[in-house]
Amino acid sequence: EAEVAQSPRYKITEKSQAVAFWCDPISGHATLYWYRQILGQGPELLVQFQDESVVDDSQLPKDRFSAERLKGVDSTLKIQPAELGDSAMYLCASSLAVGGRSTGELFFGEGSRLTVL
Amino acid sequence: GDSVTQMEGPVTLSEEAFLTINCTYTATGYPSLFWYVQYPGEGLQLLLKATKADDKGSNKGFEATYRKETTSFHLEKGSVQVSDSAVYFCALRGQAGTALIFGKGTTLSVSS
Repeated sequence: EAEVAQSPRYKITEKSQAVAFWCDPISGHATLYWYRQILGQGPELLVQFQDESVVDDSQLPKDRFSAERLKGVDSTLKIQPAELGDSAMYLCASSLAVGGRSTGELFFGEGSRLTVL
Repeated sequence: GDSVTQMEGPVTLSEEAFLTINCTYTATGYPSLFWYVQYPGEGLQLLLKATKADDKGSNKGFEATYRKETTSFHLEKGSVQVSDSAVYFCALRGQAGTALIFGKGTTLSVSS
């Protein structure tokens, strides 16, 4: 069964350092999402891509976070510099698109857990 | 803006008990509604969905009915099993087709 792949599964870093997360969506899924999930909370959208284009990055802290999906397939989320409050699970999800719009059914990876010391 | 409110957890039940997890939403128009489940050590996965009022989503013995009049999408199961222990998230997708908005999640613990 096809899955969304994420790496690394765990990352420990010191504040002010740079960190990057990678996501490979299910093949053929045009829509890709990055969510952040703080312990005990629900996932919150950081950025949504349709193919290689950003659809929604209104909740992405652009002073320190960046995301790209250059070829419309895999994606990288970067944080520089990391802050203590960035400690969270970073989830990648993908979905099929019909008529240029996501079907709304998301498939999630297992996530990348970030701890900032 | 659009939002989802779930009942606070944790919910602790004995095997074969009846389960209800309440979910209400705020949204303009006609959103689509979802329940996702996160088993220990695994990623979130879709449990069921409903795309219009009065639709009933069902899967694995779970069901939820989209109630426009009460803006609710409560999750129910008649007889829970230990293997149902997980975190359950209610979510909505706005009529404009935006990304999913999730509730805070409800932890269910079922003991034998």
